[in-house]
Amino acid sequence: AQKVTQAQTEISVVEKEDVTLDCVYETRDTTYYLFWYKQPPSGELVFLIRRNSFDEQNEISGRYSWNFQKSTSSFNFTITASQVVDSAVYFCALSENNFNKFYFGSGTKLNVKP
Amino acid sequence: GAVVSQHPSRVICKSGTSVKIECRSLDFQATTMFWYRQFPKQSLMLMATSNEGSKATYEQGVEKDKFLINHASLTLSTLTVTSAHPEDSSFYICSARERGTGISNQPQHFGDGTRLSIL
Repeated sequence: AQKVTQAQTEISVVEKEDVTLDCVYETRDTTYYLFWYKQPPSGELVFLIRRNSFDEQNEISGRYSWNFQKSTSSFNFTITASQVVDSAVYFCALSENNFNKFYFGSGTKLNVKP
Repeated sequence: GAVVSQHPSRVICKSGTSVKIECRSLDFQATTMFWYRQFPKQSLMLMATSNEGSKATYEQGVEKDKFLINHASLTLSTLTVTSAHPEDSSFYICSARERGTGISNQPQHFGDGTRLSIL
């Protein structure tokens, strides 16, 4: 069965610190997709990244970077030099090959203090 | 592009009232739409999947008579919470999947959610 685990319920950092949000997944599918979403207090889901199971390249986008490791079934997200505006709940999600069903992790609440 | 509009954004009503939430894809056709529920400080849980012109498929434990879903056109799906009670208070989010997507980075586009409070 598919499952996404975000073990960190809440993380607090001081501005400019680096922070890594962990995501571990389980699936029996050979082809699958992983996502990260940001949910600010207003509630909307902001898409951050999608990674395909057959593409293990890590990705960097500005202060954001993602480390995908199939060997450990992990898809971790690092924010470098965090800012107050990064404060939000971050969800990791797994989708099957047909994209119909998304399995969301429980989310990690990130508090970035000035 | 690929905007999903959800309305209303917030609703407060009395117990026993039925509430309708709309989900519209503004600039694309959505053959499939999804409805999620999120309780405070919890994750999003898929409630049902609706395909245009056919009956919705509900996830285990979701009462189809309680949560009526209609997907009458390629751009509109509605969720009606019938005879709502305080335990139905939650954040409801819809998403829409573009016709033929699989290449797009975002296979599902999410609405901004509806915060439902039943008194």
